[in-house]
Amino acid sequence: EAGVAQSPRYKIIEKRQSVAFWCNPISGHATLYWYQQILGQGPKLLIQFQNNGVVDDSQLPKDRFSAERLKGVDSTLKIQPAKLEDSAVYLCASSIGGRETQYFGPGTRLLVL
Amino acid sequence: SQKIEQNSEALNIQEGKTATLTCNYTNYSPAYLQWYRQDPGRGPVFLLLIRENEKEKRKERLKVTFDTTLKQSLFHITASQPADSATYLCALDITGGGNKLTFGTGTQLKVEL
Repeated sequence: EAGVAQSPRYKIIEKRQSVAFWCNPISGHATLYWYQQILGQGPKLLIQFQNNGVVDDSQLPKDRFSAERLKGVDSTLKIQPAKLEDSAVYLCASSIGGRETQYFGPGTRLLVL
Repeated sequence: SQKIEQNSEALNIQEGKTATLTCNYTNYSPAYLQWYRQDPGRGPVFLLLIRENEKEKRKERLKVTFDTTLKQSLFHITASQPADSATYLCALDITGGGNKLTFGTGTQLKVEL
């Protein structure tokens, strides 16, 4: 079974630029999560989707971050404009709907200069 | 405020010994608690889940305890091996089954020969 795929793996941008990350969850997983992991910290949930609907986006900085999951499968997370403090690893995870175990992708490491 | 605390200092132990990692939380009443392993440059990998009405869970060389009175979980690795070296994260579901995880900062474990 293929795992959660993410791209790109690394991205370097300058502040005020925009960036987008892509996630392909495990086939059949209805729930998709985006996390931000700053160096030395645990992952912090940004947004949770159930199929193509948003379940929780209470910790998403909506003035600059946006996410979508149009067909209930792939998802994109966008930052516009980026700030220095957005430098982090962005992790995507998925789970079978209603089940607790989350399966994480390898993450996208973002550096904002 | 709500907190999840794990030992911020790295834990160094000798091969063959039992490693014990601690996760303390305040102001939460989690439905369950999970432990994940994270290797450098990779996403977290699920290890064990323990529910609020369970005291102990085992899987091969791993054991987790959960004391909701003390608000503490202990994670044990018996007969530790260098391959167990990684960062271990605890995560709580604070939504009573909504599968929204809040992670601790993680404890880095190093098993030496």
